[in-house]
Amino acid sequence: GESVGLHLPTLSVQEGDNSIINCAYSNSASDYFIWYKQESGKGPQFIIDIRSNMDKRQGQRVTVLLNKTVKHLSLQIAATQPGDSAVYFCAENISGAGSYQLTFGKGTKLSVIP
Amino acid sequence: DAGVTQSPTHLIKTRGQHVTLRCSPISGHKSVSWYQQVLGQGPQFIFQYYEKEERGRGNFPDRFSARQFPNYSSELNVNALLLGDSALYLCASRGGQENTEAFFGQGTRLTVV
Repeated sequence: GESVGLHLPTLSVQEGDNSIINCAYSNSASDYFIWYKQESGKGPQFIIDIRSNMDKRQGQRVTVLLNKTVKHLSLQIAATQPGDSAVYFCAENISGAGSYQLTFGKGTKLSVIP
Repeated sequence: DAGVTQSPTHLIKTRGQHVTLRCSPISGHKSVSWYQQVLGQGPQFIFQYYEKEERGRGNFPDRFSARQFPNYSSELNVNALLLGDSALYLCASRGGQENTEAFFGQGTRLTVV
């Protein structure tokens, strides 16, 4: 089965609210994680990444939290805007494995209600 | 600077045919990876090349092959196309260090009829 999965396939939020997208991973050897945003007809766009030696990382309006104990990753989007509507994927990688292979989950579709 | 560029953007092929997809990485990036994204799912890893050598291969049949050229551009080849090969094929480039983000191109939409 897939190593990375998402709890919620769809998420609808009101414009201006905060969004939280969750992701579970099963490979305890994974030590690098990325969140991507994919709009219709486009390739995935890098949002934020985090290494396993960190619990939290913040970007512009986004925060990624990593809980290695329960193998859980989340993406928080502050003050969600209509332009945030897209499918969000988490991806994981194992460093030192000789190759760079991202394992993606199925994705969560975020819909922002104006 | 140009991002990752892929060509063609769209392609329609018949079952049994062969297809070649092309990718130019971000200038200075030496690592190129290929992913297949079936509608409604996340991308699946096919190949990774670094400095013209294959560094990783996903769970795909031998009909899939790839190569990387001295200028770090790459081609993905698929032989004996099946209907199930219809997907968005994505190319990603990285600078080459461990654990740095991968930047994706817009993809090639392949439809096999």
